Amino acid sequence: GDSVTQMEGPVTLSEEAFLTINCTYTATGYPSLFWYVQYPGEGLQLLLKATKADDKGSNKGFEATYRKETTSFHLEKGSVQVSDSAVYFCALKDTGGFKTIFGAGTRLFVKA
Amino acid sequence: DTEVTQTPKHLVMGMTNKKSLKCEQHMGHRAMYWYKQKAKKPPELMFVYSYEKLSINESVPSRFSPECPNSSLLNLHLHALQPEDSALYLCASSQGAEWIQYFGAGTRLSVL
Repeated sequence: GDSVTQMEGPVTLSEEAFLTINCTYTATGYPSLFWYVQYPGEGLQLLLKATKADDKGSNKGFEATYRKETTSFHLEKGSVQVSDSAVYFCALKDTGGFKTIFGAGTRLFVKA
Repeated sequence: DTEVTQTPKHLVMGMTNKKSLKCEQHMGHRAMYWYKQKAKKPPELMFVYSYEKLSINESVPSRFSPECPNSSLLNLHLHALQPEDSALYLCASSQGAEWIQYFGAGTRLSVL
């Protein structure tokens, strides 16, 4: 079945450092890919998405490119802030049904 | 308005109690979801309603009983829960081909 694998955390960075969180997926067909973020004490919220190969999703300085050849959707940000500290979930939605498959989540700590 | 509202925010109940969780959205979304999230884990899908009809039940124990009284409301009725049911319960809604899910802040449930 479909699955999402993302790098284990926690990831600890200093403010203004470069961030990469790796995400790879296994799916039949052409899934849509998402990054969701969960801040402490809150629900998940969409960070960015891409619906087809070579699409780049971007939001709040975060970017991820849908790479079909490597089945990857890595999250990047050039300069992290303390306020980016959260848990990041990579996810996919296949072309049928209602299920969204979530990765295990990567916790990010950013130090001032 | 892109808000999904969940009440209560916190709930403590005994194993013999009956309680209900409530979720409301006014975005006109016709798919609504219940998820269970344990600490440091991704959300686990429990139920999906589409156009007020139950579409997915992920083999959830019968002590959890969902209800969708109308297109804006989703309830989760709880009865005879176990301590291992303690978790964050998240509601979400979605609409259309993009499959973006909008999450509420959740109800943190403790079963004593």
